[in-house]
Amino acid sequence: GQQVMQIPQYQHVQEGEDFTTYCNSSTTLSNIQWYKQRPGGHPVFLIQLVKSGEVKKQKRLTFQFGEAKKNSSLHITATQTTDVGTYFCGGGADGLTFGKGTHLIIQP
Amino acid sequence: ETGVTQTPRHLVMGMTNKKSLKCEQHLGHNAMYWYKQSAKKPLELMFVYSLEERVENNSVPSRFSPECPNSSHLFLHLHTLQPEDSALYLCASSRTGGSYNSPLHFGNGTRLTVT
Repeated sequence: GQQVMQIPQYQHVQEGEDFTTYCNSSTTLSNIQWYKQRPGGHPVFLIQLVKSGEVKKQKRLTFQFGEAKKNSSLHITATQTTDVGTYFCGGGADGLTFGKGTHLIIQP
Repeated sequence: ETGVTQTPRHLVMGMTNKKSLKCEQHLGHNAMYWYKQSAKKPLELMFVYSLEERVENNSVPSRFSPECPNSSHLFLHLHTLQPEDSALYLCASSRTGGSYNSPLHFGNGTRLTVT
């Protein structure tokens, strides 16, 4: 079945540094979605990408969808303590298949 | 606050107990999902209901039994669970139709501990 891999699993950064997480699917995706889960919270939808090579920005967050629609990335510029959490990517039909997520830990 | 309400928030049960998890969505969505979240594992899709019909069952053990009486309510009936079933159980809802998956709206989850 479809598999979604994310790297890294954990990322420690100093506040103000940039952060990137990468997502790779074993199959071509019609679309990919990104979610953020704060510690003790539930996943919250961030964005959806549907076009090959698409790039979308939300303030300090930049999302990319690969040309082959099998990979994606999330880049955060100048991290802040409010960015702490786990970032998940997911794709597929009839319910998303998620990666394990990247845990972002920020040191002040 | 999330539009998707799950009860109870925490549940401790023995392996011989029978319990049910409840989920209610107030977003007018017509698809609902159960996910299992364990430590160091991806979010695992368990069940999908679209327009009250079950469309996906990812080889979940029969000790988990879903029920979707209408598009706003979803239950997960539990019986004779194992300690490895301890996890956070998340309910989600979305719209159906269209060319792409609609975003999922998650509830706060039920933290289940099986003793």
